[in-house]
Amino acid sequence: EVQLVEAGGGLVKPGGSLRLSCAASGFIFSSYTMNWVRQAPGKGLEWVSSISSSSNYIDYADSVKGRFTISRDNAKNSAYLQMSSLRAEDTAVYYCARVSGIFGSSWAFDIWGQGTVVIVSS
Amino acid sequence: DIQMTQSPSSLSASVGDRVTITCRASQDINNYLAWYQQKPGKVPNLLIYGASTLQSGVPSRFSGSGSGTDFSLTITSLQPEDVATYYCQKYNSAPWTFGQGTKVEIK
Repeated sequence: EVQLVEAGGGLVKPGGSLRLSCAASGFIFSSYTMNWVRQAPGKGLEWVSSISSSSNYIDYADSVKGRFTISRDNAKNSAYLQMSSLRAEDTAVYYCARVSGIFGSSWAFDIWGQGTVVIVSS
Repeated sequence: DIQMTQSPSSLSASVGDRVTITCRASQDINNYLAWYQQKPGKVPNLLIYGASTLQSGVPSRFSGSGSGTDFSLTITSLQPEDVATYYCQKYNSAPWTFGQGTKVEIK
């Protein structure tokens, strides 16, 4: 079964750091661009970051640029999102999502994890 | 950056009604447009990609159309299980922007 499982969410104080992980199974992880998408409470979907299959191409939303770092370990079938200088407005469910085609980024997101909750509060 | 604008923000329709949601891109995105359904408390689910191609397993009452800057999602006969928020997304290049969402309810 194709699956993505996020972990690492929790409660963190403003200015703090957190590292999210996304464990993939059921497909050739090293062939796919991976993304992080977040959803603040009661709000819509916001794309956060993207990393290509070989980590050659990385993009960030302006709202997180300079504070978040995306990475992946193809040997461990996992993607990561290192979040630092966290703010209250970073509070959200963070989803890991796979693109639907291999070797490229211009694909829709066909597989989503269940999400992990990040709460930034003092 | 290209902005994605959906309308309406919400709608209420009766079971069996035809429902149409529109999505407008601020610049030409060719057909790099996807639609997602997110049921309450659930994970987003890909419905349509390439503006008009139905994802495997999605009921045929869903359809998409458009190219360039103007797109639409149509549900030909609204069912109770279609209650959800629907999002469009551009995926031609970063940032992979989503529309603000359209909440669909049953009247």
